[in-house]
Amino acid sequence: AQSVTQLGSHVSVSEGALVLLRCNYSSSVPPYLFWYVQYPNQGLQLLLKYTSAATLVKGINGFEAEFKKSETSFHLTKPSAHMSDAAEYFCAVSANRDDKIIFGKGTRLHILP
Amino acid sequence: EAEVAQSPRYKITEKSQAVAFWCDPISGHATLYWYRQILGQGPELLVQFQDESVVDDSQLPKDRFSAERLKGVDSTLKIQPAELGDSAMYLCASSLDMLAVQETQYFGPGTRLLVL
Repeated sequence: AQSVTQLGSHVSVSEGALVLLRCNYSSSVPPYLFWYVQYPNQGLQLLLKYTSAATLVKGINGFEAEFKKSETSFHLTKPSAHMSDAAEYFCAVSANRDDKIIFGKGTRLHILP
Repeated sequence: EAEVAQSPRYKITEKSQAVAFWCDPISGHATLYWYRQILGQGPELLVQFQDESVVDDSQLPKDRFSAERLKGVDSTLKIQPAELGDSAMYLCASSLDMLAVQETQYFGPGTRLLVL
């Protein structure tokens, strides 16, 4: 069965600092991997997705993630945090094209002024 | 920009009562999903429709939950009777194609349910 583990339910970074949100996956087959963002009282918005093409995936709002098979990781990064990045971030995995998406428990990102 | 619409945004009910949530997906999206998101956790798929047909309802508590998408457009999720543990955010999402997980799922704003 597929699963993702997000390390740290809360992460705080200073404005302008590097953002690093960690995600490790478990999958018996090459996975599809996703990062979603959820702002308060809103639905989820796709940030980026890995579908077995380039291992470094660029998304919206300056975020990117790198697929590392050897580490079974798909960490999300952004070089410089902005106050508007404060939100909850979910890593998700799917086993193949028509399998359902399994979400992690989420990491709440706090931006310190 | 087209959006997934959900109503109501908030619902407070007493246990043992019936509740219903409505979702209108983006026009032309054949696939519709209902998720439940308990506070502090990620969304969990309850049911997935392709047009009017259910393709996955393995996590739907069928003794009290039901979902329909009669004309393959909008959808209703019902809980009867509601229990305290049903308090959660109920999210609807849609995508163009079920068979392409690479397709982006677009989420609605959700319905936050509180059962007293």
